[in-house]
Parts: sequence; structure tokens; C-alpha cells
Amino acid sequence: EVVLTQSPATLSLSPGERATLSCGASQNIGSFNYLAWYQVKPGLAPRLLIYGASTRATGIPDRFSGSGSGTDFTLTISGLEPEDSAVYYCQQYVSSGSTFGQGTRLEIK
Amino acid sequence: QVHLQESGPGLVKPSETVSLTCTVSGLSVSSTFYWGWVRRSPGKGLEWIATVYRDGSTYHNPSLRSRVTMSIDSSKNQFSLNLKSVTAADTAVYYCARAHVVATDLFDHWGQGTLVTVSS
Repeated sequence: EVVLTQSPATLSLSPGERATLSCGASQNIGSFNYLAWYQVKPGLAPRLLIYGASTRATGIPDRFSGSGSGTDFTLTISGLEPEDSAVYYCQQYVSSGSTFGQGTRLEIK
Repeated sequence: QVHLQESGPGLVKPSETVSLTCTVSGLSVSSTFYWGWVRRSPGKGLEWIATVYRDGSTYHNPSLRSRVTMSIDSSKNQFSLNLKSVTAADTAVYYCARAHVVATDLFDHWGQGTLVTVSS
């Protein structure tokens, strides 16, 4: 099983700042970088933000960007807005038995 | 636009089976998309449970395989999840979702989730 480790556990930033969220994989994800990022808010449907490590999903603003390869991946959110408060999860879908990281809680002060 | 809505019992007793249904609108479950279930619990975050295709073929999380059954009902445009022998560790918000075209476990449309509490 591929274990994903996210850091930090919690991030508190102000509107307009940039957030950098990390996701480390216990094994190489592979050349296709099957790594995704989701935004989860209580009571709402989770939202797919990024897949293939760096491809934005449909309708996702370019404030959200993904990067990385192999075992180290990053989600960057620039120009933070209050609505960005949420828990963000990374997911690998390269192996049978998709797994998620434990999440990073982003708070907008 | 595709919309997914989960339904379930809310409260289940330990050792029982929880049955959840996802009703899909805006797209047929008989289309060439995969459909899945993911849960979110306080202790474990998000966890993929299983994915089903229109022909009934199913892919399971290895850690849950022995307790999970999925089915698809094209006449009602629904798909379902049965999780047997539940314990408190199965208390979670359960989401149904549609898989993205590029992968069977990558989900681009989700329901809002239904809370399942396991308690006597």
C-alpha cells in the first residue's frame, strides 16, 4: 500500500497570502504522476482540484496549482480567499487500492 | 450536469449491515463511467471503499473487501453499497462519486455525503 504523508497538519494564513501544502509518498508514484488534490468542506461535496499532479480540474481557478513528481508533491494556493478555508487531501491512484493522505487543515485568519 | 445524492439509515447497530444508495441525475449509470464510494472519518480522513462499473464488475479497497458489496441498478439510475459486520470504526460520512475518465479511482463529481453512526 502506498502511504501518503501530508504536512503541515494545520496551516493558518491571512487573505492574500500563499499557501504551500506538501504530500510525500512512500513509493514512487510513477511516470504518470497519478496524484490528485481535493478540497473538503463540512456539509459540501468534496471538490477535485488537481489530478496528474499538475492538471487543474474543470472549473478550478488558476490560483490553485500542483507540482511535483516521484514521491514529493505540492499544492500551492495563491491569493488566499476566506472561502479557501477547508481540509485538503492528496490521493494516489496509481496502484489498485487508491489511498489518501491524512489531510491539511487550512484556516484563513 | 451530473448530480449525486446519498441516502442511508443514519444509525446502525454494531455487527449489522449498513446499506447506502446513491441516486444519480443528469447522467446514466449505464454510461462509460465508473462509480464509487469514499468515506471520511475523524480518525482516518478519506478512505476509498470500492468502485463499480455498469456491468457490475467491482474493485474494492483490500482492507474492506471481505465486508463490502456494491451493485448498480440502471432502471433506477442508482448504485448501492452494503457494508456488513459494522463496528464503531465504520462511523463516518459516506460519499458517492463519479470517477474521472482518466482513472477508476479518481473522482470528479461527488455527493454531499451521508453520516452513518454505528452505535448500540
